[in-house]
Amino acid sequence: AQKVTQAQTEISVVEKEDVTLDCVYETRDTTYYLFWYKQPPSGELVFLIRRNSFDEQNEISGRYSWNFQKSTSSFNFTITASQVVDSAVYFCALSEARRGAQKLVFGQGTRLTINP
Amino acid sequence: DAGVIQSPRHEVTEMGQEVTLRCKLISGHNSLFWYRQTMMRGLELLIYFNNNVPIDDSGMPEDRFSAKMPNASFSTLKIQPSEPRDSAVYFCASSPGLAFFGQGTRLTVV
Repeated sequence: AQKVTQAQTEISVVEKEDVTLDCVYETRDTTYYLFWYKQPPSGELVFLIRRNSFDEQNEISGRYSWNFQKSTSSFNFTITASQVVDSAVYFCALSEARRGAQKLVFGQGTRLTINP
Repeated sequence: DAGVIQSPRHEVTEMGQEVTLRCKLISGHNSLFWYRQTMMRGLELLIYFNNNVPIDDSGMPEDRFSAKMPNASFSTLKIQPSEPRDSAVYFCASSPGLAFFGQGTRLTVV
């Protein structure tokens, strides 16, 4: 069975600090996808990234970066120079890569608060 | 591209009433997913369709819940009769890529 664990329930930092959100996953599949979503206070789910299990290259997008390590089954998310607008709940998720079977299994989420 | 559109955004209903949630897909996307978000259980998959056919409905809580996809761009999730424990935010999402979630319907059953 697939499982995603986000051990950090809540994180609070001061603006401009760097912050890393941890994500550990379990799956028996050799091919899968990993995702991060942001849920701001307004409630919608905003897609941030999707990573294929064969692509272990780290990804950087502006102040956001992702570190995928298959050896430790982790897909951590770092926000550099955090801003108040980054305050949200962040979800890590896993899906199978089989055709027609792309259902997501979500972690419990990490509530990130950036204080001015 | 108007994204995935859900309606209504908010619904308050009395226990025992029928509730219908609606989702309009992005044109050309062939898979649709219904998720439910609660404080206790987080985000969980209820059902998903591929090319209008239900593939996996193992997450549907019980017979009170039903979902249909009458055409390639529209789906409904119906709860009949509704109960207070059905109160949650219901999201639909489309594929490919699972990048597109609707804004959700916040359902409150009193």
